[in-house]
Amino acid sequence: GAGVSQSPSNKVTEKGKDVELRCDPISGHTALYWYRQRLGQGLEFLIYFQGNSAPDKSGLPSDRFSAERTGESVSTLTIQRTQQEDSAVYLCASSSGLAGYEQYFGPGTRLTVT
Amino acid sequence: AQKVTQAQTEISVVEKEDVTLDCVYETRDTTYYLFWYKQPPSGELVFLIRRNSFDEQNEISGRYSWNFQKSTSSFNFTITASQVVDSAVYFCAPHNTDKLIFGTGTRLQVFP
Repeated sequence: GAGVSQSPSNKVTEKGKDVELRCDPISGHTALYWYRQRLGQGLEFLIYFQGNSAPDKSGLPSDRFSAERTGESVSTLTIQRTQQEDSAVYLCASSSGLAGYEQYFGPGTRLTVT
Repeated sequence: AQKVTQAQTEISVVEKEDVTLDCVYETRDTTYYLFWYKQPPSGELVFLIRRNSFDEQNEISGRYSWNFQKSTSSFNFTITASQVVDSAVYFCAPHNTDKLIFGTGTRLQVFP
């Protein structure tokens, strides 16, 4: 079946502009995660959604970052008033559950803020 | 603090050599899961192995094996008879209170 997809694959934006990144999880996966990966670094957790529960936003670095998910499908990550330090690859993952379930990752969106 | 330490930043080996990637983690949880993921040059992370904290039996799966020692909080990963296609960045990741905590990764280069 189809894997996790993300769009756009690349995004170049000017400092101060807002951007929206999209993630389509694997059908039937109840959990959805967003991570950020700066160049040469590990993955930094941002937020996760599990079913109808309130999302865990503990990893969002500032109030410029927000995310939404419609039911158990598409999610969008929004970054307002982008800064150069927001430049990174944003990865989305989905899984069948939380603890102990492997996460399946999308190809990521490379965001460059100029 | 809960964190993962992958002390080896980069490892280079020649094809067919065995290679072990080290991982030491800290967690407040008494039960948890441990994962290894691979990130090839294409960038997409691939799940490799999973271990739960209450089962310390070490296993082998094909060319992969792992050594989990709860007493020392280590979860080392070994590739036997490495191949060029194994070249990638490898991440150790404990699953801690519903989210993965990633280390900084170990870059493995396998030369022909």
